[in-house]
Amino acid sequence: SQQGEEDPQALSIQEGENATMNCSYKTSINNLQWYRQNSGRGLVHLILIRSNEREKHSGRLRVTLDTSKKSSSLLITASRAADTASYFCATDAKGNTGKLIFGQGTTLQVKP
Amino acid sequence: NAGVTQTPKFQVLKTGQSMTLQCAQDMNHEYMSWYRQDPGMGLRLIHYSVGAGITDQGEVPNGYNVSRSTTEDFPLRLLSAAPSQTSVYFCASRPLVARKEELFFGEGSRLTVL
Repeated sequence: SQQGEEDPQALSIQEGENATMNCSYKTSINNLQWYRQNSGRGLVHLILIRSNEREKHSGRLRVTLDTSKKSSSLLITASRAADTASYFCATDAKGNTGKLIFGQGTTLQVKP
Repeated sequence: NAGVTQTPKFQVLKTGQSMTLQCAQDMNHEYMSWYRQDPGMGLRLIHYSVGAGITDQGEVPNGYNVSRSTTEDFPLRLLSAAPSQTSVYFCASRPLVARKEELFFGEGSRLTVL
C-alpha cells in the first residue's frame, strides 16, 4: 500500500486565501517532500523537510513535520489562480535506498 | 539541459502487443525510476535503478521489465500489454548524493491499451 495518504482529496478556495494540505505516512522516514503537478505535465519538486526538522519555509510555502504523528502539512499562503494544480507528498523511508513513495495527492483549485 | 526526456508522449496498443517506453536523462544521475499514475491512485513506483547494471522492483512491478545498461537510459518494457496497463507513465531521476534528494520528472508518456 502507499506510504502517504493526503487530505483533503480536493480543495477549492478563492484567490488570496490560504490553502492547507495534509499528508500522513506509515513508516520512519529520512525526509518528506512535496511536489506540484500542473494538468497534463510532469511533477515539479517544491520543498523537502528532513526527519529532524519541524518546519520549513520557501516563499509562500510553509511545511511542517510531526514525526510522532507521522504527518506533514503544506500551507500555501495568499494563493493565486496560478497555484491551481495537484499537490503530492512523497516519503523517503529509512533504509529504502532513496526511492520515493507518493501519496494520492490533493487537487487545489484557486478561483480568481 | 534537456533534463529527463520520455518518448513517446502518446501510444495506443492492442492487448498482447509489446512496446518500450524510453527514458533518457542528461544530468548524470545515478538513480532513475518509473512510476505510473492512475486517477485517484497517485503515483505508484514500478521499478527503479541506483546505477548501471542495477535494477529493483517497486510497488507494482508485474507486467513490466527494465534494464539499465548506461547511466543515461532507463527503458521500461511492456512484454504483453493489458488494458490494466492503460495509464500515464513518468520517469524520474536524481543524483545519489547527500542533500540532493529531489526527483526530476519527465513530462510523461500516456499509454492506452485496447
